[in-house]
Amino acid sequence: SQQGEEDPQALSIQEGENATMNCSYKTSINNLQWYRQNSGRGLVHLILIRSNEREKHSGRLRVTLDTSKKSSSLLITASRAADTASYFCATEPTNTGNQFYFGTGTSLTVIP
Amino acid sequence: NAGVTQTPKFQVLKTGQSMTLQCAQDMNHEYMSWYRQDPGMGLRLIHYSVGAGITDQGEVPNGYNVSRSTTEDFPLRLLSAAPSQTSVYFCASSYSLGTGETQYFGPGTRLLVL
Repeated sequence: SQQGEEDPQALSIQEGENATMNCSYKTSINNLQWYRQNSGRGLVHLILIRSNEREKHSGRLRVTLDTSKKSSSLLITASRAADTASYFCATEPTNTGNQFYFGTGTSLTVIP
Repeated sequence: NAGVTQTPKFQVLKTGQSMTLQCAQDMNHEYMSWYRQDPGMGLRLIHYSVGAGITDQGEVPNGYNVSRSTTEDFPLRLLSAAPSQTSVYFCASSYSLGTGETQYFGPGTRLLVL
């Protein structure tokens, strides 16, 4: 399987703290995306980082990509209770055409 | 726009029964795909389509069929349901097959096979 792995599997923090989750993958990629899933809902796109980029920001989100280590991290700053959700990375490998591979997810709980 | 819609929301089947999960999008997206989500496994790609009349297999295609007769619709057929197909199924679409396209997901269909 080319599926990625997220770490940690679960994370619980206080409101206002920063949350960091990591994604590791196995093959060369064109890009990596992060998605969020609220309980019982579909996934929502958060941010994309291309293979030639090292860091990207969007509001309170910061994503890094290290292609030499085949890993990415998602940082959520100043977390809010509404950030409680599962977060998934999705990779588009260079050798599989139009297929996306999702990681196993990190479940984030932000305590008010 | 309604985005990506899926029906039904929930379904219970007996082993051996067949059914079709419906997926439709109104964004004129070329790329559509089906995933299944199981606890601790993330999402796994079942089948995908890059346009009307064109489909291909993903990571876990066995036991499922798809067709794409129109740009809008991409139904997923379970030929003979098995308990191992108990899962939550998500349909997704994106504008094209170019790299970096955002995928838009439907709300999911929860399937229980007894």
